[in-house]
Amino acid sequence: NAGVTQTPKFQVLKTGQSMTLQCAQDMNHNSMYWYRQDPGMGLRLIYYSASEGTTDKGEVPNGYNVSRLNKREFSLRLESAAPSQTSVYFCASRGEWVDGYTFGSGTRLTVV
Amino acid sequence: DQQVKQNSPSLSVQEGRISILNCDYTNSMFDYFLWYKKYPAEGPTFLISISSIKDKNEDGRFTVFLNKSAKHLSLHIVPSQPGDSAVYFCAALSGTYKYIFGTGTRLKVLA
Repeated sequence: NAGVTQTPKFQVLKTGQSMTLQCAQDMNHNSMYWYRQDPGMGLRLIYYSASEGTTDKGEVPNGYNVSRLNKREFSLRLESAAPSQTSVYFCASRGEWVDGYTFGSGTRLTVV
Repeated sequence: DQQVKQNSPSLSVQEGRISILNCDYTNSMFDYFLWYKKYPAEGPTFLISISSIKDKNEDGRFTVFLNKSAKHLSLHIVPSQPGDSAVYFCAALSGTYKYIFGTGTRLKVLA
């Protein structure tokens, strides 16, 4: 099915562990994004990639790194997870002539 | 500093009545706005958009109104249906590539 695929859907980490959240889109979109959703905070932009080969910080980049591996894939890495990074993470993509984003179904991450 | 604000965390409406969801923004440079709908355990899905050159955009039961002087937009759902129960986010385009989202309003439509 066309769209944005995120893996894993759920993850529990211990404080200090590292992990990478994977995201892939098959719509040939140029731009890709990582947001986190927290209660009362809405969706906050972590990092985005306007096009293949570029990445930029969003509102809340601290503690995260990203890689735009190719046009399809955009990964988010937590090098040393902290409880404050417990959240639901959404990947999204956007085409040049498309309204808004297409979102993935999310990754629910718990850091204990 | 919250540039896009949804001051009502929740709203309950009777089935068949109008639902009005509000959104305020602070940056007068924002010129394109979206509404998204989100069900539990799913990603947000695009609902409707409006450009700053318009003050209204309709799509079926959904209408978005934009008041640029007040930096305010609203989403009207008429008539409201139980399937409309979800969290609604407004978003403003900041620059060329990224949207800034509000905190969301949880709508509950009562049967």
